[in-house]
Amino acid sequence: QKEVEQDPGPLSVPEGAIVSLNCTYSNSAFQYFMWYRQYSRKGPELLMYTYSSGNKEDGRFTAQVDKSSKYISLFIRDSQPSDSATYLCAAHNYGQNFVFGPGTRLSVLP
Amino acid sequence: GAVVSQHPSRVICKSGTSVKIECRSLDFQATTMFWYRQFPKKSLMLMATSNEGSKATYEQGVEKDKFLINHASLTLSTLTVTSAHPEDSSFYICSAATGTRAPGGEQFFGPGTRLTVL
Repeated sequence: QKEVEQDPGPLSVPEGAIVSLNCTYSNSAFQYFMWYRQYSRKGPELLMYTYSSGNKEDGRFTAQVDKSSKYISLFIRDSQPSDSATYLCAAHNYGQNFVFGPGTRLSVLP
Repeated sequence: GAVVSQHPSRVICKSGTSVKIECRSLDFQATTMFWYRQFPKKSLMLMATSNEGSKATYEQGVEKDKFLINHASLTLSTLTVTSAHPEDSSFYICSAATGTRAPGGEQFFGPGTRLTVL
């Protein structure tokens, strides 16, 4: 079993839709959870960073972590065509290397 | 935010040649740099961790003699793919951190280098 699992998609939604992206993980020691956005042929850029369980909101983006079910989510409200990218979740514990999911490819159609 | 650059962004080489990829932190000092490899539709796979002035730590299964890493200064790390083969074709991404181990918010990624070995 991979440590971080993610549906690779592709996921297509109409502009303005609410997008829900999800990951599951197996290592209960993970404390830090991140979402990265990666445009084609570019390096990942950090979108959201959450420590332990809970919600975090930043503009149109909301990250949720449920450590009891080992489930992490990213919600994008009012999605835009510019949100079309691959979204990677990642997790780690302090002092340990990051473990990335394979990414979900999102297309927001105008 | 902190900026990490990579050079070249794309390289095509013949099988058997060596290729050097540079990773630079432009506006901060990176005590630790990480090298990742990414295949299409796959997750980022950590290859090695390098700390300035010391030998890199390679992940299991990564050949240290094939992927030479040099972290000569606090702003520059290089990855040299020696005697490249077509199976080395991949997207190589570096990241830089200000601490020896970073919480999620302190690792900054470069734009990546696409290597194609013919």
